Amino acid sequence: SQKIEQNSEALNIQEGKTATLTCNYTNYSPAYLQWYRQDPGRGPVFLLLIRENEKEKRKERLKVTFDTTLKQSLFHITASQPADSATYLCALYNNAGNMLTFGGGTRLMVKP
Amino acid sequence: GAGVSQSPRYKVAKRGQDVALRCDPISGHVSLFWYQQALGQGPEFLTYFQNEAQLDKSGLPSDRFFAERPEGSVSTLKIQRTQQEDSAVYLCASSLAQVSYEQYFGPGTRLTVT
Repeated sequence: SQKIEQNSEALNIQEGKTATLTCNYTNYSPAYLQWYRQDPGRGPVFLLLIRENEKEKRKERLKVTFDTTLKQSLFHITASQPADSATYLCALYNNAGNMLTFGGGTRLMVKP
Repeated sequence: GAGVSQSPRYKVAKRGQDVALRCDPISGHVSLFWYQQALGQGPEFLTYFQNEAQLDKSGLPSDRFFAERPEGSVSTLKIQRTQQEDSAVYLCASSLAQVSYEQYFGPGTRLTVT
């Protein structure tokens, strides 16, 4: 069956360090992958999209990699700040249907 | 603001009651999606509209769930005879194009069935 896995344990890091979050998937052939940020009591907010033929994408302090052989995406936040504390969700889109399938999310806590 | 809005933000229903949740998407957005999010989980797809046409309702958990978007803008998700397992946050999202490259989410409606 299709599965998207994100580390369900919270990731605690010190301010200024790089946070790395992982998204693994099985039995998918996604056309692209997205990362969203979700704060408590709010809806997810789109951050980045990476297509199946792209290896890496950057936006300010964010970097996403996409390895379709390993079936894995890594999401990096460099020079992390306490304001980066949130839950980060990965989502896959495939051409079979116009919808996103989300992972369970990883909660990031950046301590000052 | 011009974002996606949802109402009510919170709804408490007694088991067996019917509820209606409203979504106002961003003006001009073609696609509209409903998701259900349980505590500590990611959003799970329920249904999708392209303008007024409901193109995919494969995620609706039972025939007690019904969604409509009659004029291609505002959408309503209706749950009949609510059960405790329906307690969750219901998220609405819209996207500009037919293909959902980027979805804009509303704040959600937290439904609690007692």
